[in-house]
Amino acid sequence: GQNIDQPTEMTATEGAIVQINCTYQTSGFNGLFWYQQHAGEAPTFLSYNVLDGLEEKGRFSSFLSRSKGYSYLLLKELQMKDSASYLCAVMDSNYQLIWGAGTKLIIKP
Amino acid sequence: DAMVIQNPRYQVTQFGKPVTLSCSQTLNHNVMYWYQQKSSQAPKLLFHYYDKDFNNEADTPDNFQSRRPNTSFCFLDIRSPGLGDAAMYLCATSRQRGGGGETQYFGPGTRLLVL
Repeated sequence: GQNIDQPTEMTATEGAIVQINCTYQTSGFNGLFWYQQHAGEAPTFLSYNVLDGLEEKGRFSSFLSRSKGYSYLLLKELQMKDSASYLCAVMDSNYQLIWGAGTKLIIKP
Repeated sequence: DAMVIQNPRYQVTQFGKPVTLSCSQTLNHNVMYWYQQKSSQAPKLLFHYYDKDFNNEADTPDNFQSRRPNTSFCFLDIRSPGLGDAAMYLCATSRQRGGGGETQYFGPGTRLLVL
């Protein structure tokens, strides 16, 4: 079966750095997406990785290792508004998105 | 601004009373999706349309149906809502279906409450 694993919840301090991990097992791979979802709102696109390595976009970076079936989302200089759930999703060989359940990130002052 | 719009944002219905949720998009995307998301769970794909080509996920209950009368609009019909159908319903679009990296863009969602 297809599976996406990410931690259920993480806590970090304002101004700090946090890394949210995602491991996956899917039938085929056509890229990995990270989305941010605030409570009661729709997911918004953060990043896309299809090749190994690090993609940096402002305070957010996303890393991919296809051989390990592993990705992480790195958030720097955390702000209170970063409190949200972060969803990892993999596009499989049928170009269908397989979603993780999300990691709820709690930022403390 | 180009966007995905869902109406209403909140919908209350009675057990067994049919309800329709609507989605429209100004992105001119070919593909539209309907997801169901329950609290602290991953979004679950119900249907998607590639242009007018309808695709029903294998485990989508028969109680759910969808219509896409034109490129811009898509509807989700729940024929006889049960208490277990209370959830957030998310509409999303993408430019194409195939090809890696086709980002899905989401509407704000409709939260359905079944009494």
